[in-house]
Amino acid sequence: QSALTQPASVSGSPGQSITISCTGTSSDVGGHNFVSWYQQHPGKAPKLMMYDVTNRPSGVSNRFSGSKSGNTASLTISGLQTEDEADYYCSSYSSSSAFDRVFGTGTKVTVL
Amino acid sequence: EVQLVESGGGLVQPGGSLRLSCAASEFTFSDYWMSWVRQAPGKGLEWVANIKQGGIERYYLDSVTGRFTISRDDAKNSLYLQMNTLRAEDTAIYYCVRDFAVATSDLWGQGTLVTVSS
Repeated sequence: QSALTQPASVSGSPGQSITISCTGTSSDVGGHNFVSWYQQHPGKAPKLMMYDVTNRPSGVSNRFSGSKSGNTASLTISGLQTEDEADYYCSSYSSSSAFDRVFGTGTKVTVL
Repeated sequence: EVQLVESGGGLVQPGGSLRLSCAASEFTFSDYWMSWVRQAPGKGLEWVANIKQGGIERYYLDSVTGRFTISRDDAKNSLYLQMNTLRAEDTAIYYCVRDFAVATSDLWGQGTLVTVSS
């Protein structure tokens, strides 16, 4: 099982926009629109922030948006706030018979 | 409150067994696929297994196939993970999660720590 590739860290100042990439293959990210994103603060359980590439769950700020091009999905955070500092993981359904979904390597977002 | 609460984690020797439980509250448990996702200390997330409504279909990560068994009791609103022949690399926080869309989890428990060590 190969994890999806994410940058180890991304940083930005309050109010700025940042984008986190998530690169997979045609068997996962590129082959389906079942890409989701999770936010995880230290010592806490992950929280769903985006699903089916572009859909925000109820209660998630519209500062978060998702997109996909080919085998790469992206999560953009606009108007960066201090509470956005956390780890972010992408996830995608995989058509491999070996497993249901694969997660990304994770990105640490730092608000400067 | 809509929630998932895991229990059953702990310290176990290599080759040993543990059974994790997850109690669901305030939603119709029987309507959902359910999964277990784990996270090794300081590492990323890894899907472990899932089970369809009614327990008809079950799927596993390759590395746990034959050692772990996922099950559910819809009458008790509970999910289980029987873990046998545990290895050091199974050490992780195990999260019980609700799958509301394909390969997507919208509700997570607080997690239970499993440590495999002699």
